[in-house]
Amino acid sequence: GQNIDQPTEMTATEGAIVQINCTYQTSGFNGLFWYQQHAGEAPTFLSYNVLDGLEEKGRFSSFLSRSKGYSYLLLKELQMKDSASYLCAVRDKGSYIPTFGRGTSLIVHP
Amino acid sequence: DAMVIQNPRYQVTQFGKPVTLSCSQTLNHNVMYWYQQKSSQAPKLLFHYYDKDFNNEADTPDNFQSRRPNTSFCFLDIRSPGLGDAAMYLCATSTRGTSGSNEQFFGPGTRLTVL
Repeated sequence: GQNIDQPTEMTATEGAIVQINCTYQTSGFNGLFWYQQHAGEAPTFLSYNVLDGLEEKGRFSSFLSRSKGYSYLLLKELQMKDSASYLCAVRDKGSYIPTFGRGTSLIVHP
Repeated sequence: DAMVIQNPRYQVTQFGKPVTLSCSQTLNHNVMYWYQQKSSQAPKLLFHYYDKDFNNEADTPDNFQSRRPNTSFCFLDIRSPGLGDAAMYLCATSTRGTSGSNEQFFGPGTRLTVL
């Protein structure tokens, strides 16, 4: 299994940049996912990292360092609609099922 | 559009009264999952199917059962709901693979209230 740690809550200003960190411990790593979940709704897939480095997708980027057991999700040009919970999920080697962290609640204010 | 559908979106039941939640998918994915999520917590995997093979998580109470009659449909049965079972129940699907993203696609969830 994994031990996944994310900050519980973050706040940021509309138009700014925010970085949401995720650290994990696993005996064998096979991929890290970020999901966005608006209140009362289902999680939606944002990104997947399996190799070290930065994956950019529009306003969202995700970074992975396997040696440090660390990832971050970077959100640029924040919009009010980005207020949501951001879930980090890690997949063990040999498994097809990720384990979810408890998520970081991001509040974007004007 | 290919999707994961859950019915109903909101379910109210009485303490001890059996309830069934349903999930269907048009993605033709061979894996279907049921998660329980309580407020501000991580989704907790209850069980999953790979095709017809049922996989129960070790800490899933016996009170929770599941059926998958075909590729498209999966049901969650709660035999005797307790107050602690009030939660959002999420159905998800994916392809099965240990390489590539094989990300999960989630339905909108069913919010269960137990009175």
